[in-house]
Amino acid sequence: NAGVTQTPKFRVLKTGQSMTLLCAQDMNHEYMYWYRQDPGMGLRLIHYSVGEGTTAKGEVPDGYNVSRLKKQNFLLGLESAAPSQTSVYFCASSPTFSNQPQHFGDGTRLSIL
Amino acid sequence: DQQVKQNSPSLSVQEGRISILNCDYTNSMFDYFLWYKKYPAEGPTFLISISSIKDKNEDGRFTVFLNKSAKHLSLHIVPSQPGDSAVYFCAARAAGNNRKLIWGLGTSLAVNP
Repeated sequence: NAGVTQTPKFRVLKTGQSMTLLCAQDMNHEYMYWYRQDPGMGLRLIHYSVGEGTTAKGEVPDGYNVSRLKKQNFLLGLESAAPSQTSVYFCASSPTFSNQPQHFGDGTRLSIL
Repeated sequence: DQQVKQNSPSLSVQEGRISILNCDYTNSMFDYFLWYKKYPAEGPTFLISISSIKDKNEDGRFTVFLNKSAKHLSLHIVPSQPGDSAVYFCAARAAGNNRKLIWGLGTSLAVNP
């Protein structure tokens, strides 16, 4: 049972490059989320999705785009990477029912030079 | 403006003793609270939760207490074990807020043998 899988685990980019982070979940969860974690800042929500084909902005959406073309996948894109986007990115998913916890992947460590 | 505060960045306890991790919040609309545990290089893992209609929830060695009047919750771990050494995050959700969680900055717990 894989749960939530994030690809890649590590990546180094140059300023201005683009890339896509992939999140896949095998729990048939409706909700999916992208967070970033920075020192002294805790987890901050970037974008989230309440179902296939839907996305919404979180606390810190600028510089990122997302897509949820399939229920099991949630993609996070950086069109033009900036050093301020150096962070650890976590994907999570949760069921439709209320009061069910979010399940997290192991993160993607992204460095922008 | 931090809505969920974990004022102790770190805590050290002896194996077998009680660990008490604290969390304060400011938003009276929060109706659901969760504790997550995080090991290095892994994603957060759900530990225990409590609804605002309760004041205590217990799961094995872990108990969460909620004091709504003080806007305070605490996680008790009894007895503490070396494997409990991790970063503990408190998170809260506002009613009707699409399951978006607001996270504290975490408390790093070290359980010494």
